[in-house]
Amino acid sequence: DTAVSQTPKYLVTQMGNDKSIKCEQNLGHDTMYWYKQDSKKFLKIMFSYNNKELIINETVPNRFSPKSPDKAHLNLHINSLELGDSAVYFCASSPPPLIVAYNEQFFGPGTRLTVL
Amino acid sequence: AQTVTQSQPEMSVQEAETVTLSCTYDTSESDYYLFWYKQPPSRQMILVIRQEAYKQQNATENRFSVNFQKAAKSFSLKISDSQLGDAAMYFCAYRSKNTGNQFYFGTGTSLTVIP
Repeated sequence: DTAVSQTPKYLVTQMGNDKSIKCEQNLGHDTMYWYKQDSKKFLKIMFSYNNKELIINETVPNRFSPKSPDKAHLNLHINSLELGDSAVYFCASSPPPLIVAYNEQFFGPGTRLTVL
Repeated sequence: AQTVTQSQPEMSVQEAETVTLSCTYDTSESDYYLFWYKQPPSRQMILVIRQEAYKQQNATENRFSVNFQKAAKSFSLKISDSQLGDAAMYFCAYRSKNTGNQFYFGTGTSLTVIP
């Protein structure tokens, strides 16, 4: 059973297009995240979201927007794609911090986005 | 915001030898969690080991162990009997226990295992 899944795993598109990456978790977690991993492997938080609060990293362009139809899904929409958006995007989820037994983030397999 | 520093962008180790990856962090909190994640070439992020700050005993998971020095805000990962499959990027991460939906990651250490 896949805990955190993302589709698609690879996405190649032209500059200026609009695209979406889907994320689903079946762990019952309240909080979901989107990260961007650049070519140097730096992991940069883009958004964190639970049913009460959206936290946006202020450096993320407003062309990026998270959409959560329900607690188990957090999709990433990207408008007017640019060359610099090429990266690997990871979705993740986590339980509340006071659940001691397991409180780490669970990551999806990543989506490699290439903008031509 | 908390910061996590991994000062070794790259490390290498001979197969079967031991290697230590360093991680330091900055926080004013007294209770929190620390993690090491492994990212092999498959790019899947895999949890290696976790440590709770209130526990003085260092966490161990088979060949992986940590040296947690709370006063020094240091959290190093020791890999014993290194195997070829240990070659990966390793990320150190911090999570607050109280305010804690945010995770803070270091910049990663790329580990090469030499046969």
